[in-house]
Amino acid sequence: AQSVTQLDSQVPVFEEAPVELRCNYSSSVSVYLFWYVQYPNQGLQLLLKYLSGSTLVKGINGFEAEFNKSQTSFHLRKPSVHISDTAEYFCAAPTGSGGSNYKLTFGKGTLLTVNP
Amino acid sequence: ETGVTQSPTHLIKTRGQQVTLRCSSQSGHNTVSWYQQALGQGPQFIFQYYREEENGRGNFPPRFSGLQFPNYSSELNVNALELDDSALYLCASSAALNTEAFFGQGTRLTVV
Repeated sequence: AQSVTQLDSQVPVFEEAPVELRCNYSSSVSVYLFWYVQYPNQGLQLLLKYLSGSTLVKGINGFEAEFNKSQTSFHLRKPSVHISDTAEYFCAAPTGSGGSNYKLTFGKGTLLTVNP
Repeated sequence: ETGVTQSPTHLIKTRGQQVTLRCSSQSGHNTVSWYQQALGQGPQFIFQYYREEENGRGNFPPRFSGLQFPNYSSELNVNALELDDSALYLCASSAALNTEAFFGQGTRLTVV
């Protein structure tokens, strides 16, 4: 079964600084990976996804992530953060097989706090 | 195209009571999944419904049950509520052959 680990529970940064949120996965089969963002008191919004193809994935709000098979990582990056990026970020991967039988396994989340 | 909508947004129940949460899936989606997100944790998979049939279940007791209707909307029912059931309940819909799940805003359940 596939699992994901988010290595940092909290990441504080200053506005306009770069940020990297780390995610490692475990799997011996084909890998699909996702990053979701959750703003306070809201549901989850998909930031980006890796299904296949290019290992550098670009998402919304200027975020990108790189799939690294040798390091089993899918770290999320943004070159310059804004106050509005303050939120909880979740790495997720589907478990199950075929068709619609995909349930998502989430990491525990990383709280990104952007300070002025 | 409407997104995933959940109702109610908040509710408070007493321990031992029963609760029903509702979810309308995104247009064209026939798969609905439910997740429980306790405070400070990532979402945990409860179960998934595909074309009105349960299609996978997480590690939750039988007092968590669900339904999916012909229009692919869904309900989550929880019986004999416990204090630990207090959480944000998230519904997600997806197309049958697509792994991308679209989430609703969630229902915040507080059990007192």
